[in-house]
Amino acid sequence: DIQMTQSPSSLYASVGDRVTFTCRASKDISKSLAWYQQKPGKAPNLLLYATSRLHSGVPSRFSGSGSGTHYTLTISSLQPEDFATYYCQQYFSTLSYTFGQGTKLEIK
Amino acid sequence: QLQLLESGPGLVKPSETLSLNCTVSGGYVSRGNNYWTWIRQPPNRDLEWIGFVYPNGITTYNPSLKTRVTISIDTSRNHFSLKLTSVTAADTAVYYCARGGRVEDAIDVWGQGTTVAVSS
Repeated sequence: DIQMTQSPSSLYASVGDRVTFTCRASKDISKSLAWYQQKPGKAPNLLLYATSRLHSGVPSRFSGSGSGTHYTLTISSLQPEDFATYYCQQYFSTLSYTFGQGTKLEIK
Repeated sequence: QLQLLESGPGLVKPSETLSLNCTVSGGYVSRGNNYWTWIRQPPNRDLEWIGFVYPNGITTYNPSLKTRVTISIDTSRNHFSLKLTSVTAADTAVYYCARGGRVEDAIDVWGQGTTVAVSS
């Protein structure tokens, strides 16, 4: 199994801040990484795939980068609707498409 | 627009089998290079990928659940299903069905989720 580790587990920020989430894989996943946003009581929503490709309808303040085992998601200027939990997921290994444990973004 | 809807019992007894269906509307489970997948989320915990099925019936399962999981697809009813045997309280979770494979192998369409509790 490829293990995905996200940091930090929680993050406090204010509207307008720039924030970055980190996701590390236990082995090279060749940019086969997606990011999801989940709000309480709702299903996750896809934000980015292939590390940096914005899914349809997702605002451009979201961006992703990385390679190998280290990946990041950045929100350039936080909006009130962005406070949620963010998960990364690798789909490099078809044996198991593992998720990270999530980073909860909370209002400072 | 593609929509997925989970259905099944909300309560299952320990040691019994959890069975859920995912009905697809606005599209067909038999078409395209998609895969159809199940993911679960225990209360206040992380997402856990359970497995997926392709339209041709080929499946892949999470190794940690492999001995207890079956995911199947019924193209005549346009749905796919999850069976999880020998359940325990640790299987209590919100279960999501979803589609992947349209944007690389990321999951781009999710059902709303259904809560399943395992309790006697």
